[in-house]
Amino acid sequence: DTGVSQDPRHKITKRGQNVTFRCDPISEHNRLYWYRQTLGQGPEFLTYFQNEAQLEKSRLLSDRFSAERPKGSFSTLEIQRTEQGDSAMYLCASSSVRGLAGTYEQYFGPGTRLTVT
Amino acid sequence: AQKVTQAQTEISVVEKEDVTLDCVYETRDTTYYLFWYKQPPSGELVFLIRRNSFDEQNEISGRYSWNFQKSTSSFNFTITASQVVDSAVYFCALSEKGNSGGYQKVTFGTGTKLQVIP
Repeated sequence: DTGVSQDPRHKITKRGQNVTFRCDPISEHNRLYWYRQTLGQGPEFLTYFQNEAQLEKSRLLSDRFSAERPKGSFSTLEIQRTEQGDSAMYLCASSSVRGLAGTYEQYFGPGTRLTVT
Repeated sequence: AQKVTQAQTEISVVEKEDVTLDCVYETRDTTYYLFWYKQPPSGELVFLIRRNSFDEQNEISGRYSWNFQKSTSSFNFTITASQVVDSAVYFCALSEKGNSGGYQKVTFGTGTKLQVIP
C-alpha cells in the first residue's frame, strides 16, 4: 500500500492525558499536512511541513498542540493535557510540489479518531 | 479571507438520476486552485479533481463533470446516472497562497451528503 497511513486509527483517552499520533506520507511527497475534522464539518487546516520545516500553523493550533517531522518523512502530532473539545478526527495528507510543475492536490490518510472522555 | 460555501447539506436521489452539487467560493486572489473530494462512509477523503483558476474549461470524467464559472465564483459538480456507490459526503475546497508563499492552505466547505437510493 503506497497511500498515506496513520496510526492509531482510534484513540480514547481521559481528559488531561497526552496523546501522540503518527502519519506516514506517500514516500515521494515532500509536503505533509495536518487537519482536524469534527462531525458535520469539512476538514480544518492545522499545519503543514515542507520536508522537515514547519511552514505554516493555523490559529486553531493552540500551545497544547505540537507537530514535528524530524527527518522529512513521517510526522507526529502531539496534544498535551487533552480536553473534551479536542475530540475529532485528525487527518494527515501529503502532496508533491516540485518546482513550477508541482501539483497541489493533497492525498489523505484514513485519519485518527480521538475521543476524550 | 477565503471561504467555500456548499449550501446543500443533504441530497437524496434515486439511482440513475443526475445530480448537481453546488459550490460557491470567495477569494481575493487572482490565482487559486479548486478541488472536489469524496468522503465515503469509510471516512477516507478521496481526491476527485483539481482546477486552476486560469482554466475555465469544463471537464468530464466518466459519469462526473465539473462546471467552473469564474464570473459567478462557482465550481459545480454533476454526477450523471447516479449509482449507490456514489453515496458519500462531497467536499469542495479552495487553495490560495499561504503565508509561506505556496498553495498549501486548503479551505474546505462543510460538505454535501449525497444519498443514492436504489
